[in-house]
Amino acid sequence: DVKVTQSSRYLVKRTGEKVFLECVQDMDHENMFWYRQDPGLGLRLIYFSYDVKMKEKGDIPEGYSVSREKKERFSLILESASTNQTSMYLCASRRGQGSYEQYFGPGTRLTVT
Amino acid sequence: QKEVEQDPGPLSVPEGAIVSLNCTYSNSAFQYFMWYRQYSRKGPELLMYTYSSGNKEDGRFTAQVDKSSKYISLFIRDSQPSDSATYLCAMTVYNFNKFYFGSGTKLNVKP
Repeated sequence: DVKVTQSSRYLVKRTGEKVFLECVQDMDHENMFWYRQDPGLGLRLIYFSYDVKMKEKGDIPEGYSVSREKKERFSLILESASTNQTSMYLCASRRGQGSYEQYFGPGTRLTVT
Repeated sequence: QKEVEQDPGPLSVPEGAIVSLNCTYSNSAFQYFMWYRQYSRKGPELLMYTYSSGNKEDGRFTAQVDKSSKYISLFIRDSQPSDSATYLCAMTVYNFNKFYFGSGTKLNVKP
């Protein structure tokens, strides 16, 4: 069974803090993704990574950065958290290019006050 | 205009009912269509996958794609309380580089 884990289920941070969200997958998948999920807006892609040290911007990368130093781990960084970044953050992985199935983690509910 | 439109619901039905969930899309290049199910406080999980037009059946679930109308559907027969979840449609073009998700329809099946 593919397992995607996220470091926290719930997180509360203050405006201006630097926030790290961690994601780990255990199936040697090449590709990893970060989405945010908001009511009425669905899943929106923030960043994705095809391979170690490779990243590409998604639809809403502003205010975020990512790091992928190891194949199994993909981190999302909020450089200076703002209240409009309060959201559910979902990490996903997939085997590689040409694979249609994404495996999602349980999500991190981030609240920025 | 959003790439993918999906009615958010909520949709409430009695146990045993046939459920129809739908999405419309605007990009005629989409070729691969997926339905994900998301239980409360969990991440989405893939339920059905269809390529191009036509129907695909898996147990009580049927996925239908009508590319001429840019319309996809998920039918659930003999719905069960355990089907209560949010259902998200997703689609992509041939290279799977980017997936476009609907906003999700929340379904509640009452015992």
